[in-house]
Amino acid sequence: IVLTQSPATLSVSPGERATLSCRASHTITNNLAWYHQRPGEAPRLLFYGASTSATGLPARFNGGGSGTEFTLTITGLQPEDFGLYFCQQYDNWPLTFGQGTKVEVK
Amino acid sequence: EVQLVQSGAEVKKPGESLTISCQGSGYSFGTYLIGWVRQVPGKGLEWMGLVNPVDSSTKYSPSFTGQVTISADRSINTAYLQWRSLKASDTAMYYCTIQKASPTGYYYVAYWGLGTLVNVSS
Repeated sequence: IVLTQSPATLSVSPGERATLSCRASHTITNNLAWYHQRPGEAPRLLFYGASTSATGLPARFNGGGSGTEFTLTITGLQPEDFGLYFCQQYDNWPLTFGQGTKVEVK
Repeated sequence: EVQLVQSGAEVKKPGESLTISCQGSGYSFGTYLIGWVRQVPGKGLEWMGLVNPVDSSTKYSPSFTGQVTISADRSINTAYLQWRSLKASDTAMYYCTIQKASPTGYYYVAYWGLGTLVNVSS
């Protein structure tokens, strides 16, 4: 299953809203996870089940969607939120990742 | 606290063998599957495969079948990723991960180690 993320790069000012998209080539029900990776760090789980947040995730993050269309919304971007965001499907083997969206400071 | 401690960076020559390790702590090692993910510098993430520490059964991505071997030793809470003959194209960061079962029974990546950088160069 191919995951296509858009946009490739998103330029956002701190405090603004960011909306990231992940589209699957086939339906994956809600078996989708989102991860955030800062430069030089390991990825960190944000959501699984498309909309179930990881422990301790701030409320400004929201995940949604099902089937083939998914979104990650960050309301009121904080400095620590910049970096790479990946989606991953775990509905079918092999697990696959999207190519990532880079959220950068505008 | 769940932690995955990976072995240190490696510099190898093409054709050499290599085993890197991942030790879990803060949980019962047999509770979760252990997976490996590759990240080539500046590129995306590729899921390689996983091992069930309870029975050592494995599942591989077709892209990595026959290229690597994944194993685990439950007695020392450690999983391994092994190459018999490295290639320059194996140069990458390798992440050890915990894969947890969702309420629907599908396995997602819940935790990540800090990664092991493997550099293969002549």
